[in-house]
Amino acid sequence: DSGVTQTPKHLITATGQRVTLRCSPRSGDLSVYWYQQSLDQGLQFLIQYYNGEERAKGNILERFSAQQFPDLHSELNLSSLELGDSALYFCASSPSVGETQYFGPGTRLLVL
Amino acid sequence: AQSVAQPEDQVNVAEGNPLTVKCTYSVSGNPYLFWYVQYPNRGLQFLLKYITGDNLVKGSYGFEAEFNKSQTSFHLKKPSALVSDSALYFCAVRDIGGTYKYIFGTGTRLKVLA
Repeated sequence: DSGVTQTPKHLITATGQRVTLRCSPRSGDLSVYWYQQSLDQGLQFLIQYYNGEERAKGNILERFSAQQFPDLHSELNLSSLELGDSALYFCASSPSVGETQYFGPGTRLLVL
Repeated sequence: AQSVAQPEDQVNVAEGNPLTVKCTYSVSGNPYLFWYVQYPNRGLQFLLKYITGDNLVKGSYGFEAEFNKSQTSFHLKKPSALVSDSALYFCAVRDIGGTYKYIFGTGTRLKVLA
């Protein structure tokens, strides 16, 4: 158990819908990263937050957004969902930027 | 651009035999390299990392990795494989500059046969 928690574990929704994935980092970790794991794209970095501020963006679609709250938990919002958004979404945290990242168990999203 | 390559989609090894999972990297500057393992329906678990120092890095569950600068490789090894080691293994390099994001390889599925 890495200490990073993610909810929900599974999510099934329809195209066009909007969902919110939640991540709680390890105690004391200020940095949160979001990754998408799909069969054809592998593990792709989406976005990073540090102490509430966006730090870096990767291959994140405009339909996706995220934020980190004052209590350091983070949410990833996915809207206008498409079939291709079906994937595992992982959150990782680290004490500060550049330190070893520890991953949560992931949220499996299925868009029908 | 930083990148890692895992040339083998799958590695099969008999229980008790040594195992190697290969990773090569391409970076500008000094690499920060990592190995993670993913068991079915689980998140990625950190195994070990190389930042600087000794080329042989020891990690969790008896795994180790050898950093080879001349061959730009960071192969994961274990002297004696267990059936429970069967999983998906990812090599990653930390991006340079301000993002510190990880760039992952495509993963290698290790199957240890009893």
